[in-house]
Amino acid sequence: EAGVAQSPRYKIIEKRQSVAFWCNPISGHATLYWYQQILGQGPKLLIQFQNNGVVDDSQLPKDRFSAERLKGVDSTLKIQPAKLEDSAVYLCASSQSHGAFFGQGTRLTVV
Amino acid sequence: AQSVTQLDSQVPVFEEAPVELRCNYSSSVSVYLFWYVQYPNQGLQLLLKYLSGSTLVESINGFEAEFNKSQTSFHLRKPSVHISDTAEYFCAVSYPAGGTSYGKLTFGQGTILTVHP
Repeated sequence: EAGVAQSPRYKIIEKRQSVAFWCNPISGHATLYWYQQILGQGPKLLIQFQNNGVVDDSQLPKDRFSAERLKGVDSTLKIQPAKLEDSAVYLCASSQSHGAFFGQGTRLTVV
Repeated sequence: AQSVTQLDSQVPVFEEAPVELRCNYSSSVSVYLFWYVQYPNQGLQLLLKYLSGSTLVESINGFEAEFNKSQTSFHLRKPSVHISDTAEYFCAVSYPAGGTSYGKLTFGQGTILTVHP
């Protein structure tokens, strides 16, 4: 069974630029999550989708972050414009029930 | 709202020694409990989970964790560690019931386990 796929693995951008991350969840998993992991901290949920609907985006900085899940499968997370404090690893995860499966993450460095 | 506290940010041990990584949680309702492991430059891998039933759960690589409801703890243990166990370990909780928080994982700050030869 293929795992959660994410791309790119690494991205370096200048502040005020925009960036997008892509995620392909495990086939058949209805729930998809985006987490932000800042160095030295545990992952923090940004947004949770159930199929293609948003369940929880209370921690998503909506003035600069956006996410969508087309047709209930792939998802993209966008940051525009990026700030220095957005430097982190962005993890995508998917699940059928309790206990999510994570991708390898995208390490974003904002300079 | 639930929260998770991992009491040690770093735990150094020697190979073949026992180890315990401590995790306490706070929640007004019942929760499910998880331990994830993260190797350098990798995503998180599920190590073990407690949903119901026996309070002692085991992983395939020798780790075990015990759910203690009265102490609201879910400590991770291994009787003899290997160099390959060096990684960061995260404790997490989720709500079993429905609603907008269903399935959402709340993580602790992580514990870096370093196994020395």
